[in-house]
Amino acid sequence: AQKVTQAQTEISVVEKEDVTLDCVYETRDTTYYLFWYKQPPSGELVFLIRRNSFDEQNEISGRYSWNFQKSTSSFNFTITASQVVDSAVYFCALSEAAGNQFYFGTGTSLTVIP
Amino acid sequence: NAGVTQTPKFQVLKTGQSMTLQCAQDMNHNSMYWYRQDPGMGLRLIYYSASEGTTDKGEVPNGYNVSRLNKREFSLRLESAAPSQTSVYFCASSELISGVLGGANVLTFGAGSRLTVL
Repeated sequence: AQKVTQAQTEISVVEKEDVTLDCVYETRDTTYYLFWYKQPPSGELVFLIRRNSFDEQNEISGRYSWNFQKSTSSFNFTITASQVVDSAVYFCALSEAAGNQFYFGTGTSLTVIP
Repeated sequence: NAGVTQTPKFQVLKTGQSMTLQCAQDMNHNSMYWYRQDPGMGLRLIYYSASEGTTDKGEVPNGYNVSRLNKREFSLRLESAAPSQTSVYFCASSELISGVLGGANVLTFGAGSRLTVL
C-alpha cells in the first residue's frame, strides 16, 4: 500500500490565487516525520518543511502554510497569493522512526499562470 | 558548500552497456540514498546505506548494484543497462537523529543525473 498519496496530479491556478496541495499518509508508527519538497523546472529538489508526529501546530512561512491533522492523516500545503515562481512539482514525503527510508508521494505539478 | 555532488549529469547508453553513477557528500552524513524519478511515479528508492559498510535494497533494486565506498561516497552501478532504466537519478544524504524520537533528518539531494538507455 502506498504510504503517501498525493491525489492531485496537476493543478493550474491564475497568479495571486490561493492553492492547496493535498497529502495523505499512512503509517502504523506513532513517531514519524512528514516533509514537503519543491522541484522547480530546473530539476533540483528543495526542502521546504519537516514536521514530527508530535507537533500538530500549523506552520506559516511567508506565503506558505502547512496544515497537519493526525485525525485525517493529512499534511496539506497552502500557497497564498501564488506567483509564477511557485510553478513546480511538489512532493510530500514520510519518514518513519522505525526505519531509515523516506517514502515519497507521486508529486503534484503546480502551474501558476500569469 | 558543495553538499551532494553527482556525476555525470547526463549520460546516454546503449542497451547492455554498463556504467556507474558517482555520488559524494561533504556534510559528514551517515545515511545515503539513490532514487530514480520517472513521470507519474514520483521518487522511488533504489538502494540506501544507513551507515558506512551497510547497504539495503529499496523499492526498485533490480538491475542495480551499489557500493558505499566510504562515508562520503555512494555509487550506483548498472551492469547491463536496459531501456526501462531510462530515468533521472538522484543521490541524497541525511543524518539520523539520535534520541527519543529517532527517525531521520532532512534529505539533501544532488542535482540529478539524467540517463537515457537506447
